Amino acid sequence: DTEVTQTPKHLVMGMTNKKSLKCEQHMGHRAMYWYKQKAKKPPELMFVYSYEKLSINESVPSRFSPECPNSSLLNLHLHALQPEDSALYLCASSQNRALTDTQYFGPGTRLTVL
Amino acid sequence: AQSVSQHNHHVILSEAASLELGCNYSYGGTVNLFWYVQYPGQHLQLLLKYFSGDPLVKGIKGFEAEFIKSKFSFNLRKPSVQWSDTAEYFCAVYLAGGTSYGKLTFGQGTILTVHP
Repeated sequence: DTEVTQTPKHLVMGMTNKKSLKCEQHMGHRAMYWYKQKAKKPPELMFVYSYEKLSINESVPSRFSPECPNSSLLNLHLHALQPEDSALYLCASSQNRALTDTQYFGPGTRLTVL
Repeated sequence: AQSVSQHNHHVILSEAASLELGCNYSYGGTVNLFWYVQYPGQHLQLLLKYFSGDPLVKGIKGFEAEFIKSKFSFNLRKPSVQWSDTAEYFCAVYLAGGTSYGKLTFGQGTILTVHP
């Protein structure tokens, strides 16, 4: 099973709302990732967690707050977002951060900020 | 900073035509290379990958890619495309070492449309 699940599939929020995106995998992977994909653009890395610790933050604004409560779960907390943050948010996981580890992607959450 | 370039934004082919999608990267160190595919309405899926060894790698659904180190290229090929190959294809590079360890960098993507 190489499945990464993400909820919700779609999310519409106002600029003053607080919401969270959720990602889950049960493959025993110890590295998890958040990517942002704008329309007609490639995915761009936001955060990397390794063994539940934040390893990479690609200078993401603080209105995005990641959390890794355990080895299977990855959350992305959203607060005071801007309309330009509307995008597809992808979660991925891999065995570790080794170069030979393939990243498996979830279907994404399509976020619209009004 | 490292970058990945895909030469074609949109490729249109008829069924049974041969396919080659170009990918070049700019990084002098050790890299691992991937091609991902995103079918309409579906999530990113791994098509094939190169880590080491034989520079000609075979993936799923009849796709293959050749790593040419001297040209910093990793082109994707398929001898005969099918309508079901219509999708967006992303080349991606995974770097060894430095602060970017674990960072998968994607090219801009190539949309492939195959007409029956």
